[in-house]
Amino acid sequence: KQEVTQIPAALSVPEGENLVLNCSFTDSAIYNLQWFRQDPGKGLTSLLLIQSSQREQTSGRLNASLDKSSGRSTLYIAASQPGDSATYLCAVDTRDNYGQNFVFGPGTRLSVLP
Amino acid sequence: DVKVTQSSRYLVKRTGEKVFLECVQDMDHENMFWYRQDPGLGLRLIYFSYDVKMKEKGDIPEGYSVSREKKERFSLILESASTNQTSMYLCASRFVRDGTSETQYFGPGTRLLVL
Repeated sequence: KQEVTQIPAALSVPEGENLVLNCSFTDSAIYNLQWFRQDPGKGLTSLLLIQSSQREQTSGRLNASLDKSSGRSTLYIAASQPGDSATYLCAVDTRDNYGQNFVFGPGTRLSVLP
Repeated sequence: DVKVTQSSRYLVKRTGEKVFLECVQDMDHENMFWYRQDPGLGLRLIYFSYDVKMKEKGDIPEGYSVSREKKERFSLILESASTNQTSMYLCASRFVRDGTSETQYFGPGTRLLVL
């Protein structure tokens, strides 16, 4: 069954640093992978969606890559800002013998210090 | 902008009550989803719907049912609320274009407390 993990669980960096968040999944049979941001007590905001045929997507200071064969994705945040502080989740759209479903990682809690 | 709204931000119910959580999206999306989010367990899919009157069980459907009579509205029903259903409930929707799934858009969430 598909499992998604994220490393690190929490990260604290000074403002201006570039950083990388990691997401791993166990079954490479995915349709797409999505990165979300969640602020405390709020819903999720989509950041980037990578289809299974794509290798990366970029939006502003964010760049997400996907290596389906190795079951990995990274989210790169350039020149981090205090406003980037949030929990970042990755999710895979997977089709497996357990039925169609979406599996989320546990998230990485990011703190960017001014 | 896509807008997904949920009927309540906070809800307090008693054990055994029937609870309705409503979700409405305004972008004519085919697919809609209900998740719950719990500390240490993350986001888990309860039910989803590909289109009107269609529904599929997610990972944790026990104790829940859903209704999708209109395309824009997806309701989650707790037939007899229990304390272990205290959680944050999140609704999402997405558009499917030419067989390719697009991004999921989430509502603000409903925090349900069952006493």
